[in-house]
Amino acid sequence: SQQGEEDPQALSIQEGENATMNCSYKTSINNLQWYRQNSGRGLVHLILIRSNEREKHSGRLRVTLDTSKKSSSLLITASRAADTASYFCATDGNDYKLSFGAGTTVTVRA
Amino acid sequence: DTAVSQTPKYLVTQMGNDKSIKCEQNLGHDTMYWYKQDSKKFLKIMFSYNNKELIINETVPNRFSPKSPDKAHLNLHINSLELGDSAVYFCASSPGQRISGNTIYFGEGSWLTVV
Repeated sequence: SQQGEEDPQALSIQEGENATMNCSYKTSINNLQWYRQNSGRGLVHLILIRSNEREKHSGRLRVTLDTSKKSSSLLITASRAADTASYFCATDGNDYKLSFGAGTTVTVRA
Repeated sequence: DTAVSQTPKYLVTQMGNDKSIKCEQNLGHDTMYWYKQDSKKFLKIMFSYNNKELIINETVPNRFSPKSPDKAHLNLHINSLELGDSAVYFCASSPGQRISGNTIYFGEGSWLTVV
């Protein structure tokens, strides 16, 4: 069974707005990562947050982690057309593999 | 300069055929992976190799056979292709043996369509 599940499945926002997506997972983790996938391309790593961290920032990205609720959120501020992509969370409760969700598809309208 | 490169990018083939997808990484990583992404974008690990040694085999049908001639290459051979094998196959790599705290670097994907 899949470890991470993203919510919502799809999100459409206006350029300049913020986009928030959530990830829930089932078992305990060491770290949680977020990846972006542009249409027709491979996944690209965005940010990693460790299980003992609660919040992390990278540019316009803000990630939170609540291990008690087994959930994480990714916030993209001041979105741009180039942010249109699918976003995946991935967890590494197992030392040897990352388990991905099915992603949130974000469309940023100009 | 491509870090993880896989070929071919597109592959259309008939049911019952055998096909291979090749993958190479120039990052000096010790671990390589094959992931399968279905039409709903669900991404699932198939195999991982560390220094040519199989680490993970996620209950993939034995029609799928990975081969790692050296730690920079991980090829995927698929026998007797079925319609359900149609998907995007991603090769990836990461440093070290354990994934914990490490980032995975993905190739651009190979779109396999079985007709």
